[in-house]
Amino acid sequence: AQKITQTQPGMFVQEKEAVTLDCTYDTSDPSYGLFWYKQPSSGEMIFLIYQGSYDQQNATEGRYSLNFQKARKSANLVISASQLGDSAMYFCAMREQGDGYALNFGKGTSLLVTP
Amino acid sequence: DTEVTQTPKHLVMGMTNKKSLKCEQHMGHRAMYWYKQKAKKPPELMFVYSYEKLSINESVPSRFSPECPNSSLLNLHLHALQPEDSALYLCASSQVRAGSAEAFFGQGTRLTVV
Repeated sequence: AQKITQTQPGMFVQEKEAVTLDCTYDTSDPSYGLFWYKQPSSGEMIFLIYQGSYDQQNATEGRYSLNFQKARKSANLVISASQLGDSAMYFCAMREQGDGYALNFGKGTSLLVTP
Repeated sequence: DTEVTQTPKHLVMGMTNKKSLKCEQHMGHRAMYWYKQKAKKPPELMFVYSYEKLSINESVPSRFSPECPNSSLLNLHLHALQPEDSALYLCASSQVRAGSAEAFFGQGTRLTVV
């Protein structure tokens, strides 16, 4: 069963606008971690932001924030003030004990920032 | 140092060749992973090493053989590959617990099998 669901295959946003990328997850482990990665066409997986299941506050890292709604099992990424360099593939991922702490990825969202 | 180093960056090999991919980290992480990623798809987990022991093999064909010689190094030995094995191979490392933000990837090896 799919543990991480990203329902937006592609998104467009205008430069300087904010955009939200959706992610829902499924787990019965009380301890888990949620991640967002950016993958440009070069292929490297760039870590953006992390949210632990026990964290009380939503994570923020510069222009990135994670809207964590634990009861709804959602972990949406918000990018504020989009830049042309934000155009890339974005993956939501989860770690839990049951998979040897490996990251399980959603299918990804392709974000295109337009001038 | 939050770096995971993979070599080589690009590899072209014939179906009868034997080659190895290498991955190195010096962050003290005791879990290391190999992922395979095809174009426009998410990374797929291949192998997990925890404390230098293979803990997960996701039904990967035996033409892929992982090795973890020590806590800093992870190898993937390749033999008799098929053209459909052409992909981006990513190595990652992390702490051995779910509640940790430390999970980093190398830049990957782009493998082409001819």
